Amino acid sequence: NAGVTQTPKFQVLKTGQSMTLQCAQDMNHEYMSWYRQDPGMGLRLIHYSVGAGITDQGEVPNGYNVSRSTTEDFPLRLLSAAPSQTSVYFCASSGGGQGVVTEAFFGQGTRLTVV
Amino acid sequence: AQKITQTQPGMFVQEKEAVTLDCTYDTSDPSYGLFWYKQPSSGEMIFLIYQGSYDQQNATEGRYSLNFQKARKSANLVISASQLGDSAMYFCAMRESSGYSTLTFGKGTMLLVSP
Repeated sequence: NAGVTQTPKFQVLKTGQSMTLQCAQDMNHEYMSWYRQDPGMGLRLIHYSVGAGITDQGEVPNGYNVSRSTTEDFPLRLLSAAPSQTSVYFCASSGGGQGVVTEAFFGQGTRLTVV
Repeated sequence: AQKITQTQPGMFVQEKEAVTLDCTYDTSDPSYGLFWYKQPSSGEMIFLIYQGSYDQQNATEGRYSLNFQKARKSANLVISASQLGDSAMYFCAMRESSGYSTLTFGKGTMLLVSP
């Protein structure tokens, strides 16, 4: 039972490069989210999805794109990496629905450094 | 205004003692859930305990309990009989039913357990 799988675990990018952080879950969860964690800031929501084909912005969406073509996958794209995007990225998924509160399951995280 | 406030950047406790990590929250949603996650130095997010806004009793999970005071909007985590392995960052988070299963996190409390 893999849960939430993120790849890669570590990545170094040069300023201006693009890349995709992968996230897959095998729990048939409708809800998936991306967070970034910066020192002293906790985790902040980047984008989220309530189902295949439906995405929306969170607190800090600038510089990132997402899509959700399947229930299982929710990739996060950095269009043109900037040093300010150096962070640890977490993908999370959860079941339930609006009005139903359930725990979120997190991936192992991706440590991204932009130089 | 911050939705989740953790006022203790760091806490120290001796092994076998109990410790309380503070969390206050702000919401106008009558239905919400409060979560505590542990993040050890290895970086993964580990779910500890959950309290629903309509739950009559405080949640407990082994050595973890949640001191839920709804009128004061506080959801403090109590760890009994601390162990060295409890040394980690602890995050309080909230999910509002009006949201789409996304979490709002506090900035975290670093707990260090000494022998």
